[in-house]
Amino acid sequence: DVKVTQSSRYLVKRTGEKVFLECVQDMDHENMFWYRQDPGLGLRLIYFSYDVKMKEKGDIPEGYSVSREKKERFSLILESASTNQTSMYLCASSSGGRGVGTDTQYFGPGTRLTVL
Amino acid sequence: GQSLEQPSEVTAVEGAIVQINCTYQTSGFYGLSWYQQHDGGAPTFLSYNALDGLEETGRFSSFLSRSDSYGYLLLQELQMKDSASYFCASRGSGTYKYIFGTGTRLKVLA
Repeated sequence: DVKVTQSSRYLVKRTGEKVFLECVQDMDHENMFWYRQDPGLGLRLIYFSYDVKMKEKGDIPEGYSVSREKKERFSLILESASTNQTSMYLCASSSGGRGVGTDTQYFGPGTRLTVL
Repeated sequence: GQSLEQPSEVTAVEGAIVQINCTYQTSGFYGLSWYQQHDGGAPTFLSYNALDGLEETGRFSSFLSRSDSYGYLLLQELQMKDSASYFCASRGSGTYKYIFGTGTRLKVLA
């Protein structure tokens, strides 16, 4: 079974702090994704990566950056946390290439971040 | 751009059949996927339609009409454990970008 793990289930930070959320997958997947999930807004894509050191912006990248130095690890960074970044953050991975349709996403358990 | 629209909530009784719709707008299209998410849990993959028509997996079926930019998830013989949120998702052709719909919360009543 694919396993995607995230560094924390719950995190509380203060406004202005730098926050690191880490995600690790154990299935040698090429693609990794970071989403945030808010009530009524579904899952919104923040950033994704299709290869080591490669990254692309999703729909809501403002206030976030990412790092992928190793294939199995994808980090989401909040340079200066703000209260409007309080949310559930979900990491996912998939094995598909550009020509693969289904590209099933496997999700981690999520990190509920609260910024005070 | 890409967008997928779903009804926000659907309610049905145990044993019934329910349909959750998804309309999409994408620049290019690689098929429609469906995910289930229970409260407090992570989304899990249910079904995928690459081509028009119906795909059946046990009590769940999914349908796609590319000409109408429309799909649906059909849940039969509803059980209480089916109470969850359901998301459609798609990827545009030639991109790795994967987008989810707004989600439909299904409530199954006894």
